[in-house]
Amino acid sequence: ETAVFQTPNYHVTQVGNEVSFNCKQTLGHDTMYWYKQDSKKLLKIMFSYNNKQLIVNETVPRRFSPQSSDKAHLNLRIKSVEPEDSAVYLCASSYPGQGNERLFFGHGTKLSVL
Amino acid sequence: GDSVTQTEGQVALSEEDFLTIHCNYSASGYPALFWYVQYPGEGPQFLFRASRDKEKGSSRGFEATYNKEATSFHLQKASVQESDSAVYYCALSASSGSWQLIFGSGTQLTVMP
Repeated sequence: ETAVFQTPNYHVTQVGNEVSFNCKQTLGHDTMYWYKQDSKKLLKIMFSYNNKQLIVNETVPRRFSPQSSDKAHLNLRIKSVEPEDSAVYLCASSYPGQGNERLFFGHGTKLSVL
Repeated sequence: GDSVTQTEGQVALSEEDFLTIHCNYSASGYPALFWYVQYPGEGPQFLFRASRDKEKGSSRGFEATYNKEATSFHLQKASVQESDSAVYYCALSASSGSWQLIFGSGTQLTVMP
């Protein structure tokens, strides 16, 4: 059952362009996340967002920024893409809590930078 | 910082073989430990979790036991099927206060008929 929806599924762009990916969850969760999955399948947290509190992984370049209109939506904007940004971007959500909550992931958006 | 190590990058088995995927962690206190599975074209799916020493998590025939002394949470299944072919991730909840999941590097399981 898919309850975290990501669009688009794929996106091809050129170096220097701006891109934006959408994520919506219908689970009523309070916390949303963006993960980056590289070509070797490594998963790295980029952002988490809860009650207007944004937590940023310090290794994430500044050209990346999350954008939220409400607790059900967390979009990802890349201001000027670089070749190393080619990856699958995974959105996830969870209830807030004490650290043992499961994450629900979307199917991902695959970005190819030419 | 907190980390998770999966030693097997790839595992190839035949149907009905016994599966073990090793997972060791480094973290302070009692982090919650998880296993996730990712099928092609999909996001990772929660398999199960354990939150305290000696607790066993299980789902769909897979199981793992939280071992604080050995800092391990190895995934096992007695008899794998071709449909179990996927990438398996061990993960822990970080103790940074933000409760983000930190994932291991993943293990590609291929089960041949």
